[in-house]
Amino acid sequence: EIVMTQSPATLSVSPGERATLSCRASQSIDNHIAWYQHRPGQAPRLLIYGASTRATAIPARFSGSGSGTEFTLTISSLQSEDFAVYYCQQYDTWPPLTFGGGTKLEIK
Amino acid sequence: QVQLQQWGGGLVKPSETLSLTCAVSGGSISGYYWSWVRQAPGKGLEWVGEINHGGARNHNPSLKSRLAMSIDTSKNQFSLQLKSVTAADTAVYFCARRAAPKPEYFQVWGQGSLVTVSS
Repeated sequence: EIVMTQSPATLSVSPGERATLSCRASQSIDNHIAWYQHRPGQAPRLLIYGASTRATAIPARFSGSGSGTEFTLTISSLQSEDFAVYYCQQYDTWPPLTFGGGTKLEIK
Repeated sequence: QVQLQQWGGGLVKPSETLSLTCAVSGGSISGYYWSWVRQAPGKGLEWVGEINHGGARNHNPSLKSRLAMSIDTSKNQFSLQLKSVTAADTAVYFCARRAAPKPEYFQVWGQGSLVTVSS
């Protein structure tokens, strides 16, 4: 099973600033990674797939990068609605499909 | 716009069976895989398993022996049954859709159903 490790567990950032979230895979997953945003009480939302492709209707301030085992999700200028929990997910080698433990992005 | 509406769950006694159903609206159930993902309290997301319109299934190996999934294409619904539940199965369960046959990320999600396993 591929283990996805996200860091940090909690990230405190001020609105308007940049946030950088990391995800590491326990073995190479090429670019087969997706990122999701999860607000409390809501359905998770797909942000990024293929490491760097934004999903439909996702604002340009969200960007993804990386390949192999190291990946980054960057939010360039944080808006109030961006404070949520973010998960990475690998779909290279499965079953099982696996997610990271999440990064909680909170207001500083 | 495809939407997933799920129901079921609630309070389930240990050793009993958890049952959840997810209805697909705004699109066809054919041509996709339909997954279940859960989130235990204070934990991250865990993929449970999936089924497609033809009945093909994939499971998380950690749950396979207790897991049953079904699909009703006439009703545009799919269901999950998890047998012999314990407190470790307490979680919010989400249904989700991914493209078939690939890639295996989740494009659409349901709102989630809380399942609490307790006597």
